[in-house]
Amino acid sequence: DAGVTQSPTHLIKTRGQQVTLRCSPKSGHDTVSWYQQALGQGPQFIFQYYEEEERQRGNFPDRFSGHQFPNYSSELNVNALLLGDSALYLCASSSWVTYGYTFGSGTRLTVV
Amino acid sequence: TQLLEQSPQFLSIQEGENLTVYCNSSSVFSSLQWYRQEPGEGPVLLVTVVTGGEVKKLKRLTFQFGDARKDSSLHITAAQPGDTGLYLCAGRRGGSNYKLTFGKGTLLTVNP
Repeated sequence: DAGVTQSPTHLIKTRGQQVTLRCSPKSGHDTVSWYQQALGQGPQFIFQYYEEEERQRGNFPDRFSGHQFPNYSSELNVNALLLGDSALYLCASSSWVTYGYTFGSGTRLTVV
Repeated sequence: TQLLEQSPQFLSIQEGENLTVYCNSSSVFSSLQWYRQEPGEGPVLLVTVVTGGEVKKLKRLTFQFGDARKDSSLHITAAQPGDTGLYLCAGRRGGSNYKLTFGKGTLLTVNP
């Protein structure tokens, strides 16, 4: 049973560029959340998608946007990249029957 | 504002020693989860606690949720090098608040 799959694993972008990160949830999960983890910090909540709608959003600017597809997979888009956007971006999936989240291995984004 | 404070931030011990990691907050959480994260990987769920005063055991790991559901602890007995990693606590407020709020983590190193 595949867990959460994220792509790409690593990415280097230039300031001002745009990036799209992808996530396939664990089989049986219908909810996808995105987190940003800076070096030495715990993950910070970006937003959560359920039934193809953004259900909740954390304290991130509008440059961060997302989408959920009918097959429950999700994308995270970041526009106008800043150096401070460099971080590990984690996707976590869950379902209404689970308290816990299953995390992917993340996408390491470096902005230069 | 860091809603969940973890202590200690760093812990280096010898194999066979016992240790306790603390997770404290001024806020009440409907559930609290503990994760372990290894370098380059996403967090892996260890346990979820939902009832005040609840104690859960996972082999050599003992988790406790405070009576007021504001704090939690993780105790490891006879630590082994394989226990090395970043331990994260994460709380969920409940209701329509779906996000997990993470602490900064405790980086545990168990030396052989």
